[in-house]
Amino acid sequence: QKEVEQDPGPLSVPEGAIVSLNCTYSNSAFQYFMWYRQYSRKGPELLMYTYSSGNKEDGRFTAQVDKSSKYISLFIRDSQPSDSATYLCAMSPDNYGQNFVFGPGTRLSVLP
Amino acid sequence: GAGVSQSPSNKVTEKGKDVELRCDPISGHTALYWYRQSLGQGLEFLIYFQGNSAPDKSGLPSDRFSAERTGGSVSTLTIQRTQQEDSAVYLCASSLVSGSYNEQFFGPGTRLTVL
Repeated sequence: QKEVEQDPGPLSVPEGAIVSLNCTYSNSAFQYFMWYRQYSRKGPELLMYTYSSGNKEDGRFTAQVDKSSKYISLFIRDSQPSDSATYLCAMSPDNYGQNFVFGPGTRLSVLP
Repeated sequence: GAGVSQSPSNKVTEKGKDVELRCDPISGHTALYWYRQSLGQGLEFLIYFQGNSAPDKSGLPSDRFSAERTGGSVSTLTIQRTQQEDSAVYLCASSLVSGSYNEQFFGPGTRLTVL
């Protein structure tokens, strides 16, 4: 079993849909949970990070962490074609980048 | 300001050749990371530099891989005697190091193809 599991997709949704992206993990020591967006031929960019459990909202994006289930989610409301990208989850027991464990990413297409 | 830059953007090489990949981090960032991204795989940590400290090389997959960082700024990742399984996108990231969350800023990557 991989430490971080993520459905690779591809996931296609119509413009305006609510998108739900998810990751599961096995290491209960993870405390930092991140979501990155990666456009084609570009490096990942940080969308949101959450420390420990709970929800965090930023505009159309909401990140949820359920440590009891070892499950994290990213919701995108009113999805736009510009949201089409690969979304990577990452998690770590601490704030040190060399300990980050990344999921393989979910490829999302938002169709106009 | 300028972000993290990497060169070359694409590199095609023959099996057995050596390659050098370059990373220019954001000015003032003391931490620098190298990752490898293979198709369908998550980012794989390779090596981490922080200031003048000894680098964390725990992610390097074999002794064919090495990296250096000169003057606390530019970094070069060298792969000797390349193999086909080395084909991947090599990403560099830099960050400040402080008590709060240290966001990593990624470069666009170097796409390496070993024939």
